Amino acid sequence: NAGVMQNPRHLVRRRGQEARLRCSPMKGHSHVYWYRQLPEEGLKFMVYLQKENIIDESGMPKERFSAEFPKEGPSILRIQQVVRGDSAAYFCASSPTQAISRVDGYTFGSGTRLTVV
Amino acid sequence: RKEVEQDPGPFNVPEGATVAFNCTYSNSASQSFFWYRQDCRKEPKLLMSVYSSGNEDGRFTAQLNRASQYISLLIRDSKLSDSATYLCVVNELDTGRRALTFGSGTRLQVQP
Repeated sequence: NAGVMQNPRHLVRRRGQEARLRCSPMKGHSHVYWYRQLPEEGLKFMVYLQKENIIDESGMPKERFSAEFPKEGPSILRIQQVVRGDSAAYFCASSPTQAISRVDGYTFGSGTRLTVV
Repeated sequence: RKEVEQDPGPFNVPEGATVAFNCTYSNSASQSFFWYRQDCRKEPKLLMSVYSSGNEDGRFTAQLNRASQYISLLIRDSKLSDSATYLCVVNELDTGRRALTFGSGTRLQVQP
């Protein structure tokens, strides 16, 4: 049973380009969470999605960022017109239900490291 | 005030030492508590959950004090492989968020 899969592992974009980050949850999981970790900082919640629904996007920047989790395929975090400040590690996690297990928390993917040049 | 506060360290300790990390959280309605470990440039991995009764896993002991809103992690007989950043994490169910709130982490460096 593969874990949470994220790709690409590393992504380099020039300022103004678009970045697309993909996350495939663990098998049987229908809830996905995206987090961002800026250099030398902790993880910050961005968005929580279920299949075809955005449940909580309170951590998403108001502009340029969007996320989706279609019925088929991975969840996508999209950043339009990237700027240098978007350079960070983006981690995805998944869970089978909306409740976060008190025992297991949830499991993260290996992350995508975005560098904007 | 940060929702979850940790001393960033670094804590530099010799092998075999005992080291303790502390963490405070601001939301008294927080329900679930965890310690995660993050190695350099890798994803966070769950180290252990934290309960009011305290829990122990080998050399690691975690404790929760709800009255003081305080969480601790004790590592005994430190190994070189324990060098990492330790993240204090809480789940704030009352906000309606289905998400975890992370502290910025405490860096541990175990030296030979």
